[in-house]
Amino acid sequence: GENVEQHPSTLSVQEGDSAVIKCTYSDSASNYFPWYKQELGKRPQLIIDIRSNVGEKKDQRIAVTLNKTAKHFSLHITETQPEDSAVYFCAAPSYNNNDMRFGAGTRLTVKP
Amino acid sequence: KAGVTQTPRYLIKTRGQQVTLSCSPISGHRSVSWYQQTPGQGLQFLFEYFSETQRNKGNFPGRFSGRQFSNSRSEMNVSTLELGDSALYLCASSMDMTGANVLTFGAGSRLTVL
Repeated sequence: GENVEQHPSTLSVQEGDSAVIKCTYSDSASNYFPWYKQELGKRPQLIIDIRSNVGEKKDQRIAVTLNKTAKHFSLHITETQPEDSAVYFCAAPSYNNNDMRFGAGTRLTVKP
Repeated sequence: KAGVTQTPRYLIKTRGQQVTLSCSPISGHRSVSWYQQTPGQGLQFLFEYFSETQRNKGNFPGRFSGRQFSNSRSEMNVSTLELGDSALYLCASSMDMTGANVLTFGAGSRLTVL
């Protein structure tokens, strides 16, 4: 099945700095890579996703980049704010595309 | 449009008991996936159902089972509960899980096993 590895497990930045979280996947046929944000006590929610036919996608302060050759994708958050503090999960489809497999998560703390 | 609804939200059981959790997906969503979330372990995939068929199963023992009904509602059951089964159980629905569909999560069912 798909193996998704996520790094780092924790990340602490100062408000206004940038944060980068990286994930690698194992199945070269994977074609869809979402990122979910889970605030404390809440459910995971999709914040951005990218499909394999593009290399980068931006939505205001967040962006995702995809390197299919190296089989990794990254989440970039610029001008971080305290409300960005949460656990972020990357995901990729399983080998038969019937479900999504998640990375272990990154706990991001933005210090004011 | 109602979101994904999970019941019960909280429950406490003792070792050896069994538990059934329910998930009602967003109207029109035919795929339901279940995940176990424990601190430091991320979201561990349990199983996925589509049109009443289990299409994929994660690496969990046979004590974990599930099913999906014709209206797409899904249930999962854990028998002979162990302390290590204490976790937040999340279900997520999507239109279809052919590799590029957005998952919408429910609020979860928090199970405590004493």
